[in-house]
Amino acid sequence: GDSVTQMEGPVTLSEEACLTINCTYTATGYPSLFWYVQYPGEGLQLLLKATKADDKGSNKGFEATYRKETTSFHLEKGSVQVSDSAVYFCALSEPGGSNYKLTFGKGTLLTVNP
Amino acid sequence: DTGVSQDPRHKITKRGQNVTFRCDPISEHNRLYWYRQTLGQGPEFLTYFQNEAQLEKSRLLSDRFSAERPKGSFSTLEIQRTEQGDSAMYLCASSPGASGYEQYFGPGTRLTVT
Repeated sequence: GDSVTQMEGPVTLSEEACLTINCTYTATGYPSLFWYVQYPGEGLQLLLKATKADDKGSNKGFEATYRKETTSFHLEKGSVQVSDSAVYFCALSEPGGSNYKLTFGKGTLLTVNP
Repeated sequence: DTGVSQDPRHKITKRGQNVTFRCDPISEHNRLYWYRQTLGQGPEFLTYFQNEAQLEKSRLLSDRFSAERPKGSFSTLEIQRTEQGDSAMYLCASSPGASGYEQYFGPGTRLTVT
């Protein structure tokens, strides 16, 4: 079945450091890929998405590129802020079944220190 | 703000009791999903509605679980004879369906079974 593997955390960075959170996936078809973020005490929010190979999703300074050849969707940001501290989830949606349910990774906790 | 809402936000119950959670999706979203999230894990799919029809149920959804979406609007998730292993965050999400398949999540209901 479909699965998502994320780099394990926690990740602790200083403000303005570069961030990469690795995500790889296994899917039978051609999934859409997502990054969701969960800030402390809040619900999951969609951060960015990509629907086909070589697409780049971007939002709030974060980027991720859909790499079909390596089945990856790594999240990157050039300069993190304290406000980026949150749990980040990589997810995929397999369209073949037409229900578009999401399969999530385990999440990566990011803490950014001033 | 007319995002996804869930009620209650927290529920503490004794083992063996029944509990019911409510989800109000974004209006005009015809797709509604329930997920369960345990500590340190990503959300796991439970069930999916398109309008009022329940089209898929995960193997995680035992016979003690039932979900409804009367009239294709709000949804309820009931757990009968709760067990300690049911303790988790229950998340609801909605999606506009054909016009886009991003899922928008509610804040969740945290269930604690004592």
